[in-house]
Amino acid sequence: DTEVTQTPKHLVMGMTNKKSLKCEQHMGHRAMYWYKQKAKKPPELMFVYSYEKLSINESVPSRFSPECPNSSLLNLHLHALQPEDSALYLCASSQDSSGQGRFRYGYTFGSGTRLTVV
Amino acid sequence: SQQGEEDPQALSIQEGENATMNCSYKTSINNLQWYRQNSGRGLVHLILIRSNEREKHSGRLRVTLDTSKKSSSLLITASRAADTASYFCATVAGGAGSYQLTFGKGTKLSVIP
Repeated sequence: DTEVTQTPKHLVMGMTNKKSLKCEQHMGHRAMYWYKQKAKKPPELMFVYSYEKLSINESVPSRFSPECPNSSLLNLHLHALQPEDSALYLCASSQDSSGQGRFRYGYTFGSGTRLTVV
Repeated sequence: SQQGEEDPQALSIQEGENATMNCSYKTSINNLQWYRQNSGRGLVHLILIRSNEREKHSGRLRVTLDTSKKSSSLLITASRAADTASYFCATVAGGAGSYQLTFGKGTKLSVIP
């Protein structure tokens, strides 16, 4: 299995809703990432998990809450979002992780969740 | 924060022609990678070039890296309609520590059949 699976593919939520995005990989990768991508823009890093521990939080508002229950799963819990949070949310994993110094492989990305906040 | 700047922002070519995209960055890197993205979906890793490498090939792709100019180029030879996509360079900062990608703004490539 060489895939990163993201669910759901599309999500429409109100500003008072609570929802979660899910990401799963079974490649044995020990680093996982959340990126946010607005239309016609490059992906921007939100969170990095290395060996199931949060290692980087790029000053993301607390209405986004990541969780890594085990080495294969990564969740992003959403609460009280704003319309400007509407974007494509991408999950990725990598065989290499921080602290190794020598990075030989790229990231494997999921297909993303298209989120619309109304 | 974005580090890479791709040039051009958009490129339209005929099928069979070569496509060249350039990327410039600002700080020292551990490696530079190129990714393709179709229609706003997931990104696909194309190639990784380390800071001590100057050129790398993979199929119809050729990547060069000039660390003195802080720039890289991606050449796609004999382009096909299926190559139509957005292409992003992404850098990994130099030094020990974090493996995180910082993406450039991307080049939108259209290959006309």
